[in-house]
Amino acid sequence: QSALTQPASVSGSPGQSITISCTGTSSDVGSYKYVSWYQQYPGKAPKLMIYDVSNRPSGVSNRFSGSKSGNTASLTISGLQAEDEADYYCNSYTSAYAYVFGTGTKVTVL
Amino acid sequence: QITLKESGPTLLKPTQTLTLTCTFSGFSLRTSGAGVGWIRQPPGKALEWLALIYWHDDKRYSPSLKSRLTITKDTSKNQVVLTMTNVDPVDTATYYCAQHSYTSSWYGWFDPWGQGTLVTVSS
Repeated sequence: QSALTQPASVSGSPGQSITISCTGTSSDVGSYKYVSWYQQYPGKAPKLMIYDVSNRPSGVSNRFSGSKSGNTASLTISGLQAEDEADYYCNSYTSAYAYVFGTGTKVTVL
Repeated sequence: QITLKESGPTLLKPTQTLTLTCTFSGFSLRTSGAGVGWIRQPPGKALEWLALIYWHDDKRYSPSLKSRLTITKDTSKNQVVLTMTNVDPVDTATYYCAQHSYTSSWYGWFDPWGQGTLVTVSS
């Protein structure tokens, strides 16, 4: 089971929008709506930001949105803020009755 | 409020067996739909999903680690235990447990997470 592919880093200026891609295969992202996204600050546990491709948990800013097209899921952060600087991971259910995480993306606010 | 906390050894020697315990509160594994998963993260590296156990004792494992992992639950103690046999230095990582939830079917997401526990494998 290979990890989902994410860009190693994405950066943007405050107020801009950025998108993080998460590319899998027809055995995971392409076949299921069970894609979630997690935000992780250094030395901290991950926090759920998006579930089931595009749903936001209560308490998560509406600047975070998720989508999926084919084998690629995406997380968009609009109105980028300094506090958004963190690592982001996608996760998907797979046809192997398992889950797989992405390679992770470091978001830098310029 | 739902909380989870991992506990176990901090240092192991190669070939030993790792036993980690996740103690949780705010939900019960007797409740239909409940689940607890384990995820690890080597220093400076990405998250890796390891295992999941459901309320009805259905268990799922990472295909690449399935032969070395066992997940069990003790509903009376609100605990989930993960054992990993024959550890190697590459198993050095922070190990997290997390509540598993879903809206339809049995597949969904992990939230919240415990604080994690760092396990080092070294001779």
